[in-house]
Amino acid sequence: AQSVTQLGSHVSVSEGALVLLRCNYSSSVPPYLFWYVQYPNQGLQLLLKYTTGATLVKGINGFEAEFKKSETSFHLTKPSAHMSDAAEYFCAVRQSARQLTFGSGTQLTVLP
Amino acid sequence: GAVVSQHPSWVICKSGTSVKIECRSLDFQATTMFWYRQFPKQSLMLMATSNEGSKATYEQGVEKDKFLINHASLTLSTLTVTSAHPEDSSFYICSATPGPGGEQYFGPGTRLTVT
Repeated sequence: AQSVTQLGSHVSVSEGALVLLRCNYSSSVPPYLFWYVQYPNQGLQLLLKYTTGATLVKGINGFEAEFKKSETSFHLTKPSAHMSDAAEYFCAVRQSARQLTFGSGTQLTVLP
Repeated sequence: GAVVSQHPSWVICKSGTSVKIECRSLDFQATTMFWYRQFPKQSLMLMATSNEGSKATYEQGVEKDKFLINHASLTLSTLTVTSAHPEDSSFYICSATPGPGGEQYFGPGTRLTVT
């Protein structure tokens, strides 16, 4: 079975500060890992994904994440937060051909 | 890019009535579509997986007779909430994938409120 743990249901950062959203996973086989963003009353938008190859993955809007197998982690970072980054972020893992398992989500607040 | 639409975006219905939600893949053929439910401030919970032309596979605890899923074509899946009750009020999100191992593309969601 696979699972995803997102540490911190709420994260607040100042505008211009580093964003770090944590995600740990458990999987019996090499997983595919995803980060999604959700704005209020909207669906999910893919930020980035790791499948194979380079462990540092760059996504949209300046986000990136690093797959660390030894730590079973896939933390999401952005060097400088922008007000428009305020949203809910979900980490997800896919082990089988199609099914995604989501973490509980992290609400990011960006303070002016 | 791949676009998935949902209709309606929000719906209010009375308790005891049925509501149908449509999920369409606009620019690709979706062999598989997924239906998720999301309660306020919570994560997405997979309700069921539907493959075109076959019966949906429901997750444990999801009543298949209450949440009817039809995937009649490669671009359309529908979720019908039958005899809706206030506890069915939620945000319903669908996703679609073009093939095995393919990326899931999410719809914008449907807000259902049952009064």
